[in-house]
Parts: sequence; structure tokens; C-alpha cells
Amino acid sequence: RKEVEQDPGPFNVPEGATVAFNCTYSNSASQSFFWYRQDCRKEPKLLMSVYSSGNEDGRFTAQLNRASQYISLLIRDSKLSDSATYLCVVTSYSGAGSYQLTFGKGTKLSVIP
Amino acid sequence: GAGVSQTPSNKVTEKGKYVELRCDPISGHTALYWYRQSLGQGPEFLIYFQGTGAADDSGLPNDRFFAVRPEGSVSTLKIQRTERGDSAVYLCASSHTSGSYNEQFFGPGTRLTVL
Repeated sequence: RKEVEQDPGPFNVPEGATVAFNCTYSNSASQSFFWYRQDCRKEPKLLMSVYSSGNEDGRFTAQLNRASQYISLLIRDSKLSDSATYLCVVTSYSGAGSYQLTFGKGTKLSVIP
Repeated sequence: GAGVSQTPSNKVTEKGKYVELRCDPISGHTALYWYRQSLGQGPEFLIYFQGTGAADDSGLPNDRFFAVRPEGSVSTLKIQRTERGDSAVYLCASSHTSGSYNEQFFGPGTRLTVL
């Protein structure tokens, strides 16, 4: 079982739609959680951190359920510019002051005009 | 300010050759990470430096892979006797410190192709 699993995608949605991505992680000792965005042939960039209380940044809402080891990302009012691959990322302490990022495979989103 | 830079952007080599990939982190960032991303996969952790020392090299796949950061800034990932399976994008990231919620900033990557 992979440490971080995401919806397989791809997701093809019309502009203005609401889309939700789900992610589960296997390491119950995981400490921090993120969504990264990666455009085609570009590097990953942090979209938002995910906190236990849930957090929102404009059209983006992230939720974390530690008991179920589940993370979600909701995008409202999708824009063409939201088209990208969304990577679920979990951090675990690996000793010697190191926090390893473990990435899911990513879910590709295409927003269609 | 300048972000993380990596050189070369593309590297094509032949099976069995030696390659070096360079990473220049954001100035002042003490933590530096190397990742490998294969097609259709998320980045996979290779090694972490805090300052000059490799604090965690548990992700290096085998002893053909080695990385250094002699002055605590620029890092070089070295791959000996390259194999076709080494073909991937090699990403470098840096962060101000190594805390669990510290954002890692990624470079554009080096696309390595082993023929």
C-alpha cells in the first residue's frame, strides 16, 4: 500500500464547477500536511498547508481528518488557470532533524471552457 | 529574490556514464533536499542536508548515488554508472529550516535521460 494515495483522476470539469480531491495516508505518525500544485513540466509549488481545524484560502478549502487519515481539497468556481496536477503531501519526522515529504502520485485537473 | 536554480536543465547521457547535477538553493536556506520524479509519479525523497552534512540519505536508491554540499550552500548530486532506470526529473528544494511546516521551495529540475 502506498503511503499517500490520491484519487486517480484525471478530472475534467467546466469553468465555474466545484471539484473535490481526496487523499489518504498510511503513517499515523505523520505530522504535517500540504497540497502542492504542479503545472506541466514545471516544479511543484505549495498551494496550501492543511490544518486540523480546516483552512480556506479564497476559492480553496482544505480539510484534515487525523482519525481517518484523510485529507481533502475543494476548489470552488474553477478557473481555466486551475488546470494542473494537485499533489497531496504528508510530512513525517525521520530523525536527525529531518522531516521527509512524501508525495502522492497527483491528480490531474483540466478545467474546460 | 532569486529562487532555487538547477543546472543543467536537461542532461542526456549514455548508460554507464557518470553525471553531476547541481543545485543552488535560496540564499540563507540551511535545509536542502533532493527528490526524483518519474513520469506520472509524485516526487520521491532522496536525501536531505542540514548545512554541510547529509542528515538523512535514506532515500538514495543504491550506492551509485551520492550527494555533497561542502560549503553548506550549493549541492551536487552525483550518479555513477548510470542506468536507463535513472531517467527522471531530479528536483532540488530548499527551506529556511527543517521544521515540519516550513515550506520547501523547489527548483525547476534537471531532466536526466539515460540512453
